[in-house]
Amino acid sequence: AQSVTQLDSQVPVFEEAPVELRCNYSSSVSVYLFWYVQYPNQGLQLLLKYLSGSTLVKSINGFEAEFNKSQTSFHLRKPSVHISDTAEYFCAVTRGGSNYKLTFGKGTLLTVNP
Amino acid sequence: DSGVTQTPKHLITATGQRVTLRCSPRSGDLSVYWYQQSLDQGLQFLIQYYNGEERAKGNILERFSAQQFPDLHSELNLSSLELGDSALYFCASSVGSGGWYEQYFGPGTRLTVT
Repeated sequence: AQSVTQLDSQVPVFEEAPVELRCNYSSSVSVYLFWYVQYPNQGLQLLLKYLSGSTLVKSINGFEAEFNKSQTSFHLRKPSVHISDTAEYFCAVTRGGSNYKLTFGKGTLLTVNP
Repeated sequence: DSGVTQTPKHLITATGQRVTLRCSPRSGDLSVYWYQQSLDQGLQFLIQYYNGEERAKGNILERFSAQQFPDLHSELNLSSLELGDSALYFCASSVGSGGWYEQYFGPGTRLTVT
């Protein structure tokens, strides 16, 4: 079975500070990894994903995540956050092949303060 | 706007009742997923349909059932409702059925059981 652990339930930071949201997964087979973002009172939106190839993946709004197979991690980083980045961030994992279930972590609430 | 629509937006009902949540996927998407989001359980995958057929099942209670119709819209039926069923229910859609496809989430239906 696969599982996802997001180590921090809440991360408060000041505007323009760097941030890292941690995600570890467990799976005995190859995985696909995702970060989704949920803004207040909205559904989830895909932020970025790792399927294969380069282990560093980037989003259009400055976030990046690095797939580390040996540490089974997929941490999300941004060098300088904005107030508008305040949201809940979910890490998710799914296996390749016939198992289509997407397993989500419990989420990390990122609060960016002025 | 993800292109996924869900109705109703809010639903308040009493214990023991039955409700139906409706989801219309994005144009061209064949897969529909249902998720339950609650404070204590987080985001839980319930069930997936692909082109009218059930593809994957998650933590869905026997009191819950779903179906996908020929026009690809889906309905989630919740019966014998309990207080603990109060949650935000999301529908998502994707073009294919594999786990690597991006899932587009609707705005959710907030169910309150009193």
